[in-house]
Amino acid sequence: DGGITQSPKYLFRKEGQNVTLSCEQNLNHDAMYWYRQDPGQGLRLIYYSQIVNDFQKGDIAEGYSVSREKKESFPLTVTSAQKNPTAFYLCASSIAQGGFQPQHFGDGTRLSIL
Amino acid sequence: GDSVTQMEGPVTLSEEAFLTINCTYTATGYPSLFWYVQYPGEGLQLLLKATKADDKGSNKGFEATYRKETTSFHLEKGSVQVSDSAVYFCALSDIKAAGNKLTFGGGTRVLVKP
Repeated sequence: DGGITQSPKYLFRKEGQNVTLSCEQNLNHDAMYWYRQDPGQGLRLIYYSQIVNDFQKGDIAEGYSVSREKKESFPLTVTSAQKNPTAFYLCASSIAQGGFQPQHFGDGTRLSIL
Repeated sequence: GDSVTQMEGPVTLSEEAFLTINCTYTATGYPSLFWYVQYPGEGLQLLLKATKADDKGSNKGFEATYRKETTSFHLEKGSVQVSDSAVYFCALSDIKAAGNKLTFGGGTRVLVKP
């Protein structure tokens, strides 16, 4: 079955440590996205990528980095510069063009600080 | 910029009651509109969408009509079930915005009691 796989489901980070969240899709979608969700709030866009080897900052990119070396993969690194990283992180993908296409979401990674 | 406003929850209902979740939007272009649903501990699933004025999206007994004159996209279901307990997100995608980005409302938690 086609879909988006995020791993791990739960992740713990020590102060000053970088961690990388994995996102893989087999939907053959060009565009991929990372969102952050805080308790009781909506989703905020961190980074997005419309094509391999290209990505753009979203609304809250500070303290995060991404790469897009393969079409199916879009890992997110939460760096030590992100002072409040505890959140639920969601990865999504879509057909890139048009604005009519819905985004398909993974099941998320919950990141907590030790 | 674009924005989405939806009614705050939680909304608590009895089984078989009528559900309405209000959603209004502000957009500079001509957006597509979406409703997503999030079950506990999971990612978002597309519930329905509408891409132009007066379109009605429908799925699983839920409906929403794209009202350009009132900039609204209210979600309705005639008879809810316990399994409809979830968080519902209204979102828009502006065709003029790069990257097929979504702008989300803050989410509305719905709790259906037997």
